[in-house]
Amino acid sequence: DVKVTQSSRYLVKRTGEKVFLECVQDMDHENMFWYRQDPGLGLRLIYFSYDVKMKEKGDIPEGYSVSREKKERFSLILESASTNQTSMYLCASSFGSTLFYSNIQYFGAGTRLSVL
Amino acid sequence: TQLLEQSPQFLSIQEGENLTVYCNSSSVFSSLQWYRQEPGEGPVLLVTVVTGGEVKKLKRLTFQFGDARKDSSLHITAAQPGDTGLYLCGGGGADGLTFGKGTHLIIQP
Repeated sequence: DVKVTQSSRYLVKRTGEKVFLECVQDMDHENMFWYRQDPGLGLRLIYFSYDVKMKEKGDIPEGYSVSREKKERFSLILESASTNQTSMYLCASSFGSTLFYSNIQYFGAGTRLSVL
Repeated sequence: TQLLEQSPQFLSIQEGENLTVYCNSSSVFSSLQWYRQEPGEGPVLLVTVVTGGEVKKLKRLTFQFGDARKDSSLHITAAQPGDTGLYLCGGGGADGLTFGKGTHLIIQP
């Protein structure tokens, strides 16, 4: 079974703090993704990566950065957390061999981040 | 921009009833994924459909991909409280996966 593990289920941070969200997958997937999920807005793609040290902006990258130093690990960084970044953050991964497999994404359990 | 519209947004029914939820778009997708998400958890992949007209069954759940690969439906027979959750569809294309906003399903005992 594919396992995508997010390091924290719940986080509470203060405005202006630097926040790190970690994600690890154990299936040797090439692609990894970060989404945020908000009521009424659905899933929105923040960043994705199709290889080590590679990253691409998604639909809402502002205020976020990412790091992928190893194939299995993809980190989302909030440089200076703000209250409007309070959300559910979801990490996903997929194979990158073909377009078909790259769109079959497996998700972690999510991190519920509250910024006060 | 590819958009996926899911309907209904909310559905609350009694245990044992049948239901169908829909995922529609004006765009053609190369594949379509259905996920179920329980409160406080991440989405769990249920099925992938790739061929126009394809029908897949997963116990009491039946998934269909439209002939033109623009829409999909999920039919649940004899719904149970364990089916409660947010059902998301995701359409696959060259730009990646596009998600609908989901259908919130509540099955009351």
